[in-house]
Amino acid sequence: DQQVKQNSPSLSVQEGRISILNCDYTNSMFDYFLWYKKYPAEGPTFLISISSIKDKNEDGRFTVFLNKSAKHLSLHIVPSQPGDSAVYFCAASSGRGSQGNLIFGKGTKLSVKP
Amino acid sequence: EAGVAQSPRYKIIEKRQSVAFWCNPISGHATLYWYQQILGQGPKLLIQFQNNGVVDDSQLPKDRFSAERLKGVDSTLKIQPAKLEDSAVYLCASSRLAGGLTGELFFGEGSRLTVL
Repeated sequence: DQQVKQNSPSLSVQEGRISILNCDYTNSMFDYFLWYKKYPAEGPTFLISISSIKDKNEDGRFTVFLNKSAKHLSLHIVPSQPGDSAVYFCAASSGRGSQGNLIFGKGTKLSVKP
Repeated sequence: EAGVAQSPRYKIIEKRQSVAFWCNPISGHATLYWYQQILGQGPKLLIQFQNNGVVDDSQLPKDRFSAERLKGVDSTLKIQPAKLEDSAVYLCASSRLAGGLTGELFFGEGSRLTVL
Protein backbone atom coordinates (compact mmCIF):
# COMPACT_ATOMS: atom_id res chain seq x y z
CA ASP A 1 0.00 0.00 0.00
CA GLN A 2 1.93 2.99 -1.31
CA GLN A 3 0.97 6.20 0.45
CA VAL A 4 3.30 8.36 -1.65
CA LYS A 5 3.41 7.71 -5.37
CA GLN A 6 5.73 8.99 -8.03
CA ASN A 7 4.30 7.46 -11.17
CA SER A 8 7.01 8.58 -13.57
CA PRO A 9 10.20 6.57 -13.06
CA SER A 10 12.13 8.87 -15.37
CA LEU A 11 11.98 12.25 -17.07
CA SER A 12 14.21 13.73 -19.75
CA VAL A 13 14.37 17.50 -20.31
CA GLN A 14 16.45 19.83 -22.42
CA GLU A 15 18.76 22.26 -20.65
CA GLY A 16 17.08 25.62 -20.05
CA ARG A 17 13.56 24.20 -20.17
CA ILE A 18 11.23 23.51 -17.27
CA SER A 19 11.28 20.19 -15.40
CA ILE A 20 8.05 19.15 -13.68
CA LEU A 21 8.14 16.23 -11.28
CA ASN A 22 4.88 14.95 -9.90
CA CYS A 23 3.86 13.24 -6.69
CA ASP A 24 0.52 11.92 -5.42
CA TYR A 25 -0.40 10.84 -1.92
CA THR A 26 -3.28 8.95 -0.39
CA ASN A 27 -3.09 9.75 3.33
CA SER A 28 -5.09 12.89 4.15
CA MET A 29 -3.26 13.12 7.49
CA PHE A 30 -0.02 14.16 5.80
CA ASP A 31 0.73 17.76 6.74
CA TYR A 32 4.28 18.26 5.55
CA PHE A 33 5.88 17.45 2.23
CA LEU A 34 9.51 17.45 1.16
CA TRP A 35 11.59 16.85 -1.94
CA TYR A 36 14.99 15.21 -1.75
CA LYS A 37 17.58 14.92 -4.47
CA LYS A 38 19.95 11.97 -4.75
CA TYR A 39 23.10 11.56 -6.82
CA PRO A 40 24.56 8.07 -7.39
CA ALA A 41 26.51 6.67 -4.44
CA GLU A 42 25.43 9.55 -2.21
CA GLY A 43 22.71 9.93 0.39
CA PRO A 44 19.59 11.98 -0.39
CA THR A 45 19.89 15.72 0.24
CA PHE A 46 17.03 18.01 1.19
CA LEU A 47 15.84 20.30 -1.58
CA ILE A 48 12.62 22.06 -0.62
CA SER A 49 9.55 21.55 1.54
CA ILE A 50 6.00 22.77 1.96
CA SER A 51 3.53 22.76 4.80
CA SER A 52 -0.09 21.82 4.18
CA ILE A 53 -1.16 25.34 5.13
CA LYS A 54 0.50 26.66 1.98
CA ASP A 55 -0.03 25.91 -1.68
CA LYS A 56 3.30 27.15 -3.01
CA ASN A 57 6.87 27.49 -1.83
CA GLU A 58 9.70 28.89 -3.91
CA ASP A 59 13.45 28.71 -3.48
CA GLY A 60 15.51 30.01 -6.38
CA ARG A 61 14.97 27.81 -9.42
CA PHE A 62 12.85 25.35 -7.42
CA THR A 63 9.13 25.73 -6.70
CA VAL A 64 6.86 23.22 -5.04
CA PHE A 65 3.10 23.38 -5.55
CA LEU A 66 0.59 21.62 -3.31
CA ASN A 67 -2.99 20.81 -4.29
CA LYS A 68 -4.57 19.36 -1.16
CA SER A 69 -7.93 18.62 -2.72
CA ALA A 70 -6.26 16.51 -5.40
CA LYS A 71 -3.66 15.13 -2.96
CA HIS A 72 -1.02 16.12 -5.47
CA LEU A 73 2.22 18.03 -5.36
CA SER A 74 4.72 18.95 -8.00
CA LEU A 75 8.27 20.23 -8.16
CA HIS A 76 9.14 22.72 -10.88
CA ILE A 77 12.73 23.41 -11.83
CA VAL A 78 13.26 26.45 -14.03
CA PRO A 79 15.56 26.67 -15.87
CA SER A 80 16.82 23.09 -15.77
CA GLN A 81 20.57 22.56 -15.72
CA PRO A 82 22.66 19.44 -16.43
CA GLY A 83 23.71 19.41 -12.75
CA ASP A 84 20.07 18.85 -11.84
CA SER A 85 20.31 15.34 -13.27
CA ALA A 86 19.59 13.08 -10.29
CA VAL A 87 16.86 11.00 -8.69
CA TYR A 88 14.20 13.09 -6.97
CA PHE A 89 12.23 11.67 -4.07
CA CYS A 90 8.96 13.05 -2.79
CA ALA A 91 8.35 12.49 0.94
CA ALA A 92 5.51 13.21 3.35
CA SER A 93 4.96 13.21 7.08
CA SER A 94 2.00 13.53 9.43
CA GLY A 95 0.97 13.97 13.03
CA ARG A 96 4.25 14.98 14.56
CA GLY A 97 4.93 17.34 11.70
CA SER A 98 8.55 17.93 10.96
CA GLN A 99 9.79 15.32 13.40
CA GLY A 100 7.50 12.60 12.17
CA ASN A 101 8.35 9.56 10.13
CA LEU A 102 8.92 10.43 6.46
CA ILE A 103 7.19 8.25 3.87
CA PHE A 104 9.08 8.31 0.58
CA GLY A 105 7.98 7.71 -2.99
CA LYS A 106 9.99 5.51 -5.33
CA GLY A 107 11.69 8.44 -6.99
CA THR A 108 11.88 9.97 -10.46
CA LYS A 109 15.16 9.99 -12.35
CA LEU A 110 15.63 13.35 -14.05
CA SER A 111 18.04 13.67 -16.97
CA VAL A 112 18.79 17.18 -18.20
CA LYS A 113 20.43 17.11 -21.62
CA PRO A 114 22.80 19.89 -22.72
CA GLU B 1 29.84 21.22 9.91
CA ALA B 2 30.68 17.54 9.49
CA GLY B 3 27.96 15.42 7.91
CA VAL B 4 26.51 12.08 8.92
CA ALA B 5 29.23 9.43 8.84
CA GLN B 6 28.53 5.80 8.02
CA SER B 7 30.66 2.70 7.70
CA PRO B 8 31.34 0.43 6.01
CA ARG B 9 30.37 1.82 2.60
CA TYR B 10 30.11 -1.64 1.07
CA LYS B 11 29.66 -5.10 2.51
CA ILE B 12 29.20 -8.47 0.82
CA ILE B 13 28.16 -11.45 2.93
CA GLU B 14 26.57 -14.83 2.45
CA LYS B 15 23.06 -15.55 3.65
CA ARG B 16 22.78 -16.51 7.30
CA GLN B 17 25.88 -14.51 8.16
CA SER B 18 25.72 -11.40 10.33
CA VAL B 19 26.65 -7.79 9.59
CA ALA B 20 26.79 -4.53 11.50
CA PHE B 21 26.63 -0.94 10.30
CA TRP B 22 27.76 2.11 12.21
CA CYS B 23 26.50 5.68 12.11
CA ASN B 24 27.76 8.92 13.66
CA PRO B 25 25.14 11.68 13.31
CA ILE B 26 25.75 15.39 13.00
CA SER B 27 26.89 16.82 16.31
CA GLY B 28 23.99 18.05 18.41
CA HIS B 29 21.31 16.20 16.43
CA ALA B 30 19.10 14.39 18.91
CA THR B 31 17.08 12.37 16.41
CA LEU B 32 18.64 9.52 14.45
CA TYR B 33 17.03 7.34 11.81
CA TRP B 34 17.92 4.14 9.99
CA TYR B 35 16.34 3.71 6.57
CA GLN B 36 16.48 0.75 4.19
CA GLN B 37 16.50 1.50 0.47
CA ILE B 38 16.00 -1.46 -1.82
CA LEU B 39 16.97 -0.95 -5.46
CA GLY B 40 14.24 0.92 -7.32
CA GLN B 41 12.39 1.87 -4.14
CA GLY B 42 12.31 4.89 -1.91
CA PRO B 43 13.90 4.78 1.55
CA LYS B 44 11.81 2.99 4.19
CA LEU B 45 12.16 3.79 7.88
CA LEU B 46 13.45 0.93 10.02
CA ILE B 47 13.92 2.69 13.34
CA GLN B 48 13.91 6.19 14.82
CA PHE B 49 15.76 7.23 17.98
CA GLN B 50 15.28 10.35 20.07
CA ASN B 51 18.50 10.67 22.06
CA ASN B 52 19.00 7.05 23.12
CA GLY B 53 15.33 6.10 23.26
CA VAL B 54 13.40 4.35 20.50
CA VAL B 55 10.55 6.46 19.06
CA ASP B 56 9.42 4.16 16.24
CA ASP B 57 10.59 0.66 15.36
CA SER B 58 7.32 -0.62 13.95
CA GLN B 59 8.89 -1.59 10.61
CA LEU B 60 12.03 -3.17 12.01
CA PRO B 61 12.08 -6.98 11.46
CA LYS B 62 12.95 -7.67 15.05
CA ASP B 63 13.59 -11.37 14.57
CA ARG B 64 16.78 -10.53 12.65
CA PHE B 65 17.42 -6.78 12.92
CA SER B 66 18.53 -4.91 16.00
CA ALA B 67 19.73 -1.37 16.59
CA GLU B 68 21.06 0.63 19.47
CA ARG B 69 22.17 4.17 20.05
CA LEU B 70 24.90 4.39 22.61
CA LYS B 71 24.80 7.43 24.91
CA GLY B 72 22.47 9.17 22.47
CA VAL B 73 25.19 9.70 19.85
CA ASP B 74 26.55 6.86 17.66
CA SER B 75 24.32 4.06 16.50
CA THR B 76 24.77 0.54 15.20
CA LEU B 77 22.37 -1.51 13.10
CA LYS B 78 22.86 -5.29 13.11
CA ILE B 79 21.39 -7.99 10.91
CA GLN B 80 21.65 -11.60 12.09
CA PRO B 81 21.09 -13.85 10.23
CA ALA B 82 21.00 -12.07 6.88
CA LYS B 83 18.61 -13.08 4.11
CA LEU B 84 18.87 -12.48 0.37
CA GLU B 85 16.09 -9.87 0.56
CA ASP B 86 18.16 -7.78 2.97
CA SER B 87 20.34 -6.66 0.05
CA ALA B 88 19.87 -2.90 0.07
CA VAL B 89 21.47 0.41 0.95
CA TYR B 90 21.16 1.22 4.65
CA LEU B 91 20.90 4.95 5.16
CA CYS B 92 21.45 6.71 8.43
CA ALA B 93 19.98 10.19 8.91
CA SER B 94 19.79 12.73 11.71
CA SER B 95 17.78 15.82 12.51
CA ARG B 96 17.52 18.47 15.21
CA LEU B 97 15.14 17.96 18.12
CA ALA B 98 12.24 20.39 17.91
CA GLY B 99 12.52 23.69 16.16
CA GLY B 100 13.38 21.76 13.00
CA LEU B 101 10.65 23.53 11.15
CA THR B 102 11.85 22.41 7.77
CA GLY B 103 11.56 18.75 8.72
CA GLU B 104 14.89 18.29 7.06
CA LEU B 105 16.77 15.04 7.54
CA PHE B 106 20.50 14.93 6.87
CA PHE B 107 21.50 11.63 5.31
CA GLY B 108 24.81 9.82 5.27
CA GLU B 109 26.18 8.25 2.10
CA GLY B 110 24.77 4.87 3.01
CA SER B 111 26.10 1.34 3.48
CA ARG B 112 25.44 -0.95 0.55
CA LEU B 113 24.81 -4.56 1.58
CA THR B 114 24.89 -7.46 -0.84
CA VAL B 115 23.73 -10.83 0.47
CA LEU B 116 24.74 -13.81 -1.70
